[in-house]
Amino acid sequence: AQSVTQLGSHVSVSEGALVLLRCNYSSSVPPYLFWYVQYPNQGLQLLLKYTSAATLVKGINGFEAEFKKSETSFHLTKPSAHMSDAAEYFCAVRNTGNQFYFGTGTSLTVIP
Amino acid sequence: DTEVTQTPKHLVMGMTNKKSLKCEQHMGHRAMYWYKQKAKKPPELMFVYSYEKLSINESVPSRFSPECPNSSLLNLHLHALQPEDSALYLCASSQERAFQETQYFGPGTRLLVL
Repeated sequence: AQSVTQLGSHVSVSEGALVLLRCNYSSSVPPYLFWYVQYPNQGLQLLLKYTSAATLVKGINGFEAEFKKSETSFHLTKPSAHMSDAAEYFCAVRNTGNQFYFGTGTSLTVIP
Repeated sequence: DTEVTQTPKHLVMGMTNKKSLKCEQHMGHRAMYWYKQKAKKPPELMFVYSYEKLSINESVPSRFSPECPNSSLLNLHLHALQPEDSALYLCASSQERAFQETQYFGPGTRLLVL
């Protein structure tokens, strides 16, 4: 079955440092991939999505992700972390069978 | 307007109570979803409505009863819940068929069952 794996349930970075959140998918066919962010006590907000157009996808708040078919990865990055980036991040996949799955999430802590 | 609203924000209910959660969107979306989210876990899909018809029910217990009165509204009726049903209940909507487009999420209703 199609799924996504997020490596690292907790990631801590210093303010101003690079943010790298990892997501790998399992599929022989490139799916649609998403990154959502959830701030404390809020719903989920779409950061960016890959829909088989450009492999480098730019999202909101300075985040971007690169689709790498050879590595079956869709890692999320941001060059410089802000305190306001502290949140839970979910990778998600929609496969060709129109099934949708969230990853287990990565909690990002930004250290001042 | 890309907003999905949910009421109430917080709800405390006893195991014998009947209550309802409400979700509303005015984006013209035709797919609407209910998710359940436990702390530090990803959302779990409960129900999907597509064009006001229930299209997916993820084997949810009958004590949860969804209703889609019109294309803008989605309700979740709760009856005889258990303490383990305490969670954040999220509503989402998307433009056309289920999962085809980006899902927009509401802020959720935090439910506590005593």
